Amino acid sequence: DAGVIQSPRHEVTEMGQEVTLRCKPISGHDYLFWYRQTMMRGLELLIYFNNNVPIDDSGMPEDRFSAKMPNASFSTLKIQPSEPRDSAVYFCASSLDGGYIQYFGAGTRLSVL
Amino acid sequence: QQPVQSPQAVILREGEDAVINCSSSKALYSVHWYRQKHGEAPVFLMILLKGGEQKGHDKISASFNEKKQQSSLYLTASQLSYSGTYFCGTESLTDSWGKLQFGAGTQVVVTP
Repeated sequence: DAGVIQSPRHEVTEMGQEVTLRCKPISGHDYLFWYRQTMMRGLELLIYFNNNVPIDDSGMPEDRFSAKMPNASFSTLKIQPSEPRDSAVYFCASSLDGGYIQYFGAGTRLSVL
Repeated sequence: QQPVQSPQAVILREGEDAVINCSSSKALYSVHWYRQKHGEAPVFLMILLKGGEQKGHDKISASFNEKKQQSSLYLTASQLSYSGTYFCGTESLTDSWGKLQFGAGTQVVVTP
């Protein structure tokens, strides 16, 4: 299997623009997680899905952030409008079941100017 | 709430040992350990479940004391390849199933 695939790997955008991050989980995995990593706040869980249904979105910072999982093989994290403080590395991870090993994608490094 | 990891950083010479601690204020179901190399994604090391078990991965082992809500990761006879940032992730008995809260990480540098 190719592992968790994220795109783009790098994104540079200007403040106020819409940003969409994409994730393809490992086939057969029922759980999908979105994390944000910064030096200041470490690795934060933003939202996670089970069988395409959002289970916990308490980590989503504010209404500017939204996430969808229209099917078992694709998820998006959208920021609209983006702000400089959103600059971070965003990771997507998937697991076979809750509490199991999480496999992380390579991450998307987002810079908002 | 995030688990607390200590120390924040440790520098070792090859062959030396180190211990990384992870402590939670919540009752835990499991503790996960991950290692992240600079510029890369976190990679799974091991999971410890309720029951106070110990596990090993090469010369890296861990223990979980559920009563104290603490876990420790032991790096034995460290190798250069052990360098990286180690994160514990805790799964609480009161949180949604599958939810992991990660600690701030412990940076480990192994020198020749």
